[in-house]
Order: sequence, then structure tokens, then C-alpha cells
Amino acid sequence: DIVMTQSPDSLAVSLGERATINCKSSQTVLYSSNNKNYLAWYQQKPGQPPKLLISWASTRESGVPDRFSGSGSGADFTLTISSLQAADVAVYYCQQYYSTPTFGQGTRVEIK
Amino acid sequence: EVQLVQSGAEVKKAGESLKISCKGSGYSFPTFWIGWVRQMPGKGLEWMGIIYPGDSDTRYSPSFQGQVTISADKSISTAYLQWSSLKASDTAMYYCARGLRYCNTTSCSGYNWFDPWGQGTLVTVSS
Repeated sequence: DIVMTQSPDSLAVSLGERATINCKSSQTVLYSSNNKNYLAWYQQKPGQPPKLLISWASTRESGVPDRFSGSGSGADFTLTISSLQAADVAVYYCQQYYSTPTFGQGTRVEIK
Repeated sequence: EVQLVQSGAEVKKAGESLKISCKGSGYSFPTFWIGWVRQMPGKGLEWMGIIYPGDSDTRYSPSFQGQVTISADKSISTAYLQWSSLKASDTAMYYCARGLRYCNTTSCSGYNWFDPWGQGTLVTVSS
């Protein structure tokens, strides 16, 4: 299995400031045949199911605010919230779908 | 609107059997995968397995192979997750989710990412 490791486990950011979450895979999730990174990001708010934010490492889903962005390639990825809002308090997970799906352990984002 | 609606919370005793359901609507149910994900109390997400309702092709995570059974009835747009003998350690929230997969005109690659997710079914097993 591909192991996904997120950092940090939690972070506290002031409203309006940037939040950055890292995700590292134990092997590449870049498919050489199509040059796509098989990586998704999810947001899970308390008491709710996860919600897909980003697929293909950087493609934002319809309706997701543009303060959320994904970047990276190969085995190193980042989710950035450019200006943290109160509504963004949640746990964020990365997931690879290059092989049988595995999730990172999650990063809890709170307001400082 | 694409929607997955799961069956309600369950309280069971260890050793009992259980089958929970996930009904899809708003899309062609047979032509999308349905995955199951476990979330133990206060913990992260674990992929359990997935089924393609069109032909019942089913894959399991090695961690859950032999522990659960995934099935689907495409005639009623419903997928299932079942246990034959529950353990206290099965206490968790279980989510179903529609699995998306990249396919071009000739083949598919990789596995699935998930959107949307059901609301979750809380399973509580007492010893």
C-alpha cells in the first residue's frame, strides 16, 4: 500500500491568514502515461461526512471557494487556504488513487 | 442532485450479524463505483472496499478482506455492507461514497476518488 503522511497533525491560524497542509506519499502518484497526479483532498467538518475539495492534485471541485488551492507533483503535495475563514475549521485529508486508495491521517485546522 | 442516503444508526451485540445500506439517486447507479470507508471514533478515514454495481466487481482492502462483505442491487440502486459476526472493535461510523475513476476511450487507470459521500451510518457494538 502507498502510505500517505500529512503534516502537521494540527495547526492554528488567525482569521484571514494562510494555512498550509502538506501531504507526502511513500511512492509517486504521478502516472507517467497521462502526466496526472492521482491525489485528492477532502474537508471534514465536525459531525459531517467528508467533502471532496480537489482532485488531480490541483483541480478544484465546482462550488469550492477559490481560497482553496492544491499544488505539488510526484510524491509531495500541498493544500493551501489563502485566507482562513471561520467556516474552514475542519479536518483535511489527502487521498491517493494511484493504487488501492489510502488516506493521510488528517490535519486539524483551527482558529488561533 | 447526486445523493447517497444511508440506513440509520445501529446498536448491536458482539457476535450478531448486520447489513447496512446506501441508496444512490440522481445519477446512473450501475455505472459508478460505490466505496465504503470506516471512521473509528476520533480517528481518520480507512478505505474498506468498493463495488461496481453494473457487474458486481468487488475489491477489498487487505485489512477488511474476510471481515465484511460488500454487495449491491442495481435494480434498486442500493449498495450494502455486511458483517456475519460483529466485534466491539467494529464500532465506528461507516460512510459510502460514489467512486470516480479516470477512463479514456480504451482503458481505465488508477483507482477511485470519492464524491459525494453518504451521511454515514453509526454502528455501535457492545461486548
